[in-house]
Amino acid sequence: DVKVTQSSRYLVKRTGEKVFLECVQDMDHENMFWYRQDPGLGLRLIYFSYDVKMKEKGDIPEGYSVSREKKERFSLILESASTNQTSMYLCASSENRGPDTQYFGPGTRLTVL
Amino acid sequence: QQQVKQSPQSLIVQKGGISIINCAYENTAFDYFPWYQQFPGKGPALLIAIRPDVSEKKEGRFTISFNKSAKQFSLHIMDSQPGDSATYFCAAGRSSNTGKLIFGQGTTLQVKP
Repeated sequence: DVKVTQSSRYLVKRTGEKVFLECVQDMDHENMFWYRQDPGLGLRLIYFSYDVKMKEKGDIPEGYSVSREKKERFSLILESASTNQTSMYLCASSENRGPDTQYFGPGTRLTVL
Repeated sequence: QQQVKQSPQSLIVQKGGISIINCAYENTAFDYFPWYQQFPGKGPALLIAIRPDVSEKKEGRFTISFNKSAKQFSLHIMDSQPGDSATYFCAAGRSSNTGKLIFGQGTTLQVKP
């Protein structure tokens, strides 16, 4: 079974703090993704990576950066957290370069005060 | 061009009834259309997917209907059960696009006993 794990289920941070969200997949997948989920807006892609050290902006990259130093690990960084980044963050991975099944982690509920 | 529009936002169905969720897309280059199911506290998981070379795909009680000319696709859940209560997301992707998917806004389904 594919397993995607996220470092925290719940996180509370203060405005201006630097925040790291970690994601690890155990199936040697090529692609990894970071989404945020907000009611009525669905899943919006923040960044994705199709190879180690490779990254591409998604639809809403502003205020975020990512790092993929190892194939199994993809980190999302909020350089200076703001209240409008309060959201559910979901990590996913998929095996192939083309559209394929994405396997999601359980999500991190981030609250920025 | 990249949007996927999903409706309704929420749906209440009696046990045994048919649940229907609709999606419309704009980009004719999309060639992969999955549906994801998300239970509370969990990440989304692939439910069923279709490619545009067929107009319908059925897996158990779940059916995707695809209308290429109208650029629409829908999920039908036959004999809906309380255990089907979840949030459903449609999505669209392109074979040439490194696994990236564009997700709809989501539909919260409640099946009443």
